[in-house]
Amino acid sequence: DTAVSQTPKYLVTQMGNDKSIKCEQNLGHDTMYWYKQDSKKFLKIMFSYNNKELIINETVPNRFSPKSPDKAHLNLHINSLELGDSAVYFCASSRDRSRGYTFGSGTRLTVV
Amino acid sequence: GENVEQHPSTLSVQEGDSAVIKCTYSDSASNYFPWYKQELGKGPQLIIDIRSNVGEKKDQRIAVTLNKTAKHFSLHITETQPEDSAVYFCAASKRTSYDKVIFGPGTSLSVIP
Repeated sequence: DTAVSQTPKYLVTQMGNDKSIKCEQNLGHDTMYWYKQDSKKFLKIMFSYNNKELIINETVPNRFSPKSPDKAHLNLHINSLELGDSAVYFCASSRDRSRGYTFGSGTRLTVV
Repeated sequence: GENVEQHPSTLSVQEGDSAVIKCTYSDSASNYFPWYKQELGKGPQLIIDIRSNVGEKKDQRIAVTLNKTAKHFSLHITETQPEDSAVYFCAASKRTSYDKVIFGPGTSLSVIP
């Protein structure tokens, strides 16, 4: 029973394509996040949703659009993929914003 | 905004020795400091956290200390084992409605058998 599950685990695609990454949590948490981890392992927040409401939107290009159909799901859609989008994307959830996160296992996106 | 620095970036220790990772933060309003361990090919996993009303917290072989005045906090791992080898991240946040957790750049720990 995976607590935070992301699909796909690997994604290889060409520049200019549009792709989506899905995330689901079965922990009953209210808050979900997307983080980007670059090649130097640096973790940077992209978005945060609380009960389907967007509460954090960092300086991320408009090509990235999160969607939360319900509080257990937070998907990430990326339009017009660029080489610089290559990274590992992590979904995470927390019971509330003052507690630790539970991370998914990540989606390694490679844009060629 | 908050900035978290972490040192060292890489650390090698002999099995059985202790390892210490140090972090500093810039925002004096930060009051929650989690530590995460990331093994190869996996997502970060919360291993211990500390809040600003506590100076030290221990859980078996790991301990965290917090110096609010100096805005420093540290992770101590005693009796290291090969399975402790991983990347460790410190982080800081404020417990407000719109806080975000800011991560340090990570420390790659290698425990040599």
